[in-house]
Amino acid sequence: LAKTTQPISMDSYEGQEVNITCSHNNIATNDYITWYQQFPSQGPRFIIQGYKTKVTNEVASLFIPADRKSSTLSLPRVSLSDTAVYYCLVVIMNNNAGNMLTFGGGTRLMVKP
Amino acid sequence: DSGVTQTPKHLITATGQRVTLRCSPRSGDLSVYWYQQSLDQGLQFLIQYYNGEERAKGNILERFSAQQFPDLHSELNLSSLELGDSALYFCASSVGGPRGEQFFGPGTRLTVL
Repeated sequence: LAKTTQPISMDSYEGQEVNITCSHNNIATNDYITWYQQFPSQGPRFIIQGYKTKVTNEVASLFIPADRKSSTLSLPRVSLSDTAVYYCLVVIMNNNAGNMLTFGGGTRLMVKP
Repeated sequence: DSGVTQTPKHLITATGQRVTLRCSPRSGDLSVYWYQQSLDQGLQFLIQYYNGEERAKGNILERFSAQQFPDLHSELNLSSLELGDSALYFCASSVGGPRGEQFFGPGTRLTVL
């Protein structure tokens, strides 16, 4: 199974770029990486998903190196409202044994004025 | 609002009791997922159903069971409750399998006294 690990916390300031890395060194070729954002007492919200190289949407970018043993969520120019916990999710597709979903422990991002 | 509804919002019960949590997925979503989040902890994947069939199983205790009904709503049954079962229980849904974006409900907060 892919074990996913993330830094427990990060601090940043408004307007800076924030990069949060997730390690998943047992990832297999069919596994996808997804990132979610969670505010206190709310359900997580999808940010971005990728399989390899780079994916960009209107709120973030996801960088996945060729060996796919890690992935980096990049938040450009963060604001105070980006203060939240960020989770990476590795989805292991296994037709024989059933799919498996493994979340990282979450990274608590604090954005300061 | 994600479109996923969960009831009840709060539930307080005693050790040894049995409770049922209910989830209604977004219209058109065939997959339902259940997660447990203990206080200040990360997300633990419990189980996934797709169109009524179990498709993935995570760290779900034998005291817990779930099912997805023909109308696609799902129930999570927790029995012989222990103090350690106190947590936020999230339901999520997606159109297809776990590779796609999951939409999370607001959660049910279970307190076992």
